[in-house]
Amino acid sequence: AQSVTQLGSHVSVSEGALVLLRCNYSSSVPPYLFWYVQYPNQGLQLLLKYTSAATLVKGINGFEAEFKKSETSFHLTKPSAHMSDAAEYFCAVAEGGYSTLTFGKGTMLLVSP
Amino acid sequence: GAVVSQHPSWVICKSGTSVKIECRSLDFQATTMFWYRQFPKQSLMLMATSNEGSKATYEQGVEKDKFLINHASLTLSTLTVTSAHPEDSSFYICSAKAGGVPEQFFGPGTRLTVL
Repeated sequence: AQSVTQLGSHVSVSEGALVLLRCNYSSSVPPYLFWYVQYPNQGLQLLLKYTSAATLVKGINGFEAEFKKSETSFHLTKPSAHMSDAAEYFCAVAEGGYSTLTFGKGTMLLVSP
Repeated sequence: GAVVSQHPSWVICKSGTSVKIECRSLDFQATTMFWYRQFPKQSLMLMATSNEGSKATYEQGVEKDKFLINHASLTLSTLTVTSAHPEDSSFYICSAKAGGVPEQFFGPGTRLTVL
């Protein structure tokens, strides 16, 4: 069975600082991994995805994530936080790429001026 | 591309009434659609998966007679909450997936409040 663990329900950074949101997964087969962002009272927007190609994946809004099989991790980073990045971020895994998504519990990113 | 809409964006209804929520893929054909429920400050809980023209597959613990799902076309799925009660109040989000791609695209969600 697949599962996702997001370390830290809240992460606080200053504007301009590095953003690091952690995600670890478990999967019995090579996984497909996703990061989604959710703004208040809205649906989820796909930030980026890993689908067994390049291990370093670049997404929208300057975010990127690196797939590390040995660490079963898919951490999300952004070099410089912007106030508009404040939102809830969800990591998700799909075994084999075509099954249902399993979401982590989410990490709320808080950005202070 | 890959836009999914939901209607209505919010709805308030009286206890005992039924509410229908529509989910549409606007610019692609969605072979599979998913319905999620999200409680405040929590993650998404998958309720059911529906493939066009087939009966929906419900997750364990989700009452299929209460949450009726119809996926009659490749661009439209509906969720009907029958005989709604206050405990059904929640944020309902749909997503859609095209054939041959792994990612799901999400609608903006529907806030249901049952009085």
